[in-house]
Formats: sequence, structure tokens, C-alpha cells
Amino acid sequence: QKEVEQDPGPLSVPEGAIVSLNCTYSNSAFQYFMWYRQYSRKGPELLMYTYSSGNKEDGRFTAQVDKSSKYISLFIRDSQPSDSATYLCAMSTRGLTNAGKSTFGDGTTLTVKP
Amino acid sequence: EPEVTQTPSHQVTQMGQEVILRCVPISNHLYFYWYRQILGQKVEFLVSFYNNEISEKSEIFDDQFSVERPDGSNFTLKIRSTKLEDSAMYFCASSPRQGYEQYFGPGTRLTVT
Repeated sequence: QKEVEQDPGPLSVPEGAIVSLNCTYSNSAFQYFMWYRQYSRKGPELLMYTYSSGNKEDGRFTAQVDKSSKYISLFIRDSQPSDSATYLCAMSTRGLTNAGKSTFGDGTTLTVKP
Repeated sequence: EPEVTQTPSHQVTQMGQEVILRCVPISNHLYFYWYRQILGQKVEFLVSFYNNEISEKSEIFDDQFSVERPDGSNFTLKIRSTKLEDSAMYFCASSPRQGYEQYFGPGTRLTVT
């Protein structure tokens, strides 16, 4: 079983739609959760990060974490064509024995059509 | 806004040659990482670095790989004898605190022929 499973997509939505991107994880030691956006052949761009269960909002983006279900989501409201990209979830542990490497999902490619 | 920079953006090398990929992390960050992404695949952890030593490395990071922070700003990844399967995007990342959010550079595309 993979440590991080991400809904594979691809996902195609009309402009203005609400988008839901999802990941599950198996390692209960994961404590820190991140969402990145990646354009083709570019570096991952950090969108949101959180460490607590519940919702965190930033503009059109909401990150949701449910540690009891080991499930995280990213919601995009009023999606725009410029949101078209691959979205990566990532998770890390925190501890004295490592410097918090991130484990990534495979990514979900989103296309927002005008 | 501070950002991670990487050079070169694209490196072409022949199998068996040594390459050095360079990164300048965000200046007040203390934790540094290298990741790679083979085309069409997921981002994979290679190595983490803190306080001038390796904190953790993956199975991918074998004896042909090494990292160094030669001065107060640069962070390098050396591949001693490149193989065809080393062709990938290599990303440097830095973080202000252990296990927290990581900021990635634009990557170096390594092509081994």
C-alpha cells in the first residue's frame, strides 16, 4: 500500500466550478500537510499548508484535514483557467531523527475550461 | 519575496560523467532537501541536510550521490558517474523549520545521453 494515495484524475471542469482534490494516507505519523501546484516542467509551488484537523482558508482555496480518517482535501472555489495545472499533496513527519522529508502523492491534473 | 534558485536550468551530460547541480536556498532557512521527478512520475525524496550533515537519505541516494554546502549560501548535489536512469528533474527545497512547509526551486532538468 502506498503511503500517500491521490485521486488520479485527470479532472476537467468548466470555469467557475468548485473543484475538490483529495488524498488519503496510511502513515499516522504524518503531522504536516501541504498542497502544491505544479505547471509542466516547473517546480512545485506551495499553495497551502496545515498541521491541524479542520479547515484552513486562503482566498479561493480551502485545505481540509481529517486525521481520524487519514484524508485531506483541497477545494478551489470559482475555478479559473489559470488554475489549470497538476496539484500535488505532500505530507511530512516531525521528529528528532529526521529533517522532515515530504512524501508526495502522484498528482491530479486539473483543466479548467473557459 | 525570497525564493529558491537553481542552476543550470538544463544540463545535458554523457553517461559516466560527473555533474554538479547548484541551489541557493532561501537565506534564513536551515533545512535543505533534494528531490527528483522522472518525467510523468511523482516527486521523490533524495536527501535532507541540516547543520552541515545529512539527516536522512532515500534508497535512491546511493554512493554515486553526494551533497555539500560549501559556503553560507550554496547547496549542491553531485552525481559522480551518471547513468541513463538519472535523467530527471532535480528540485532543491528549503524549509525554515524541521518538518514544516518546504519551498521548491524551479528545478534542473538533467538529461543523460
